[in-house]
Amino acid sequence: DAKTTQPPSMDCAEGRAANLPCNHSTISGNEYVYWYRQIHSQGPQYIIHGLKNNETNEMASLIITEDRKSSTLILPHATLRDTAVYYCIVRVGASNTGKLIFGQGTTLQVKP
Amino acid sequence: EAQVTQNPRYLITVTGKKLTVTCSQNMNHEYMSWYRQDPGLGLRQIYYSMNVEVTDKGDVPEGYKVSRKEKRNFPLILESPSPNQTSLYFCASSSRERGEKLFFGSGTQLSVL
Repeated sequence: DAKTTQPPSMDCAEGRAANLPCNHSTISGNEYVYWYRQIHSQGPQYIIHGLKNNETNEMASLIITEDRKSSTLILPHATLRDTAVYYCIVRVGASNTGKLIFGQGTTLQVKP
Repeated sequence: EAQVTQNPRYLITVTGKKLTVTCSQNMNHEYMSWYRQDPGLGLRQIYYSMNVEVTDKGDVPEGYKVSRKEKRNFPLILESPSPNQTSLYFCASSSRERGEKLFFGSGTQLSVL
């Protein structure tokens, strides 16, 4: 099973880009990488996901390395409300067999 | 509105008293799952279900039961709760199509005294 590794914490200045790394060196070719965030004790909120190509949506960009062993979540203009714990998740199986492996998460602190 | 609904939001109970945490989704999702979250340990999967009457163990299934008699509901049952099951619990659901995102409920904070 693929596992993910994230730094435990990061700081970012408000208005600057936040780049959150994730290592998933044992990921297999048909597994997706998902990013979620959690603010306080609320339910995790979906941010973005990808398989091989880089992805962008209204919240963030996801950069996946060519060998797929790592990825970076980019919040282009971080705000104070982006302060949260960010989870990088690999979803196992070609047909969504269900098992999710969470990393320990990165606590992002956005500072004024 | 598409959502995953958990009840109750807060629950305090005593050791050994059976309890059920309910989870319901209105998106016709095949896949549902339960997680617990503890300080320093992140989110850990307890059980998941790929469809009605199909369930499987996650990483920390001991002390828990689940059932999936209907597609929309996936209750989490603690037959004999113990203090080490004090935790924040989340239910989640998604379709089974590849690459579909998970929707999480708002959580149930359980305290077992």
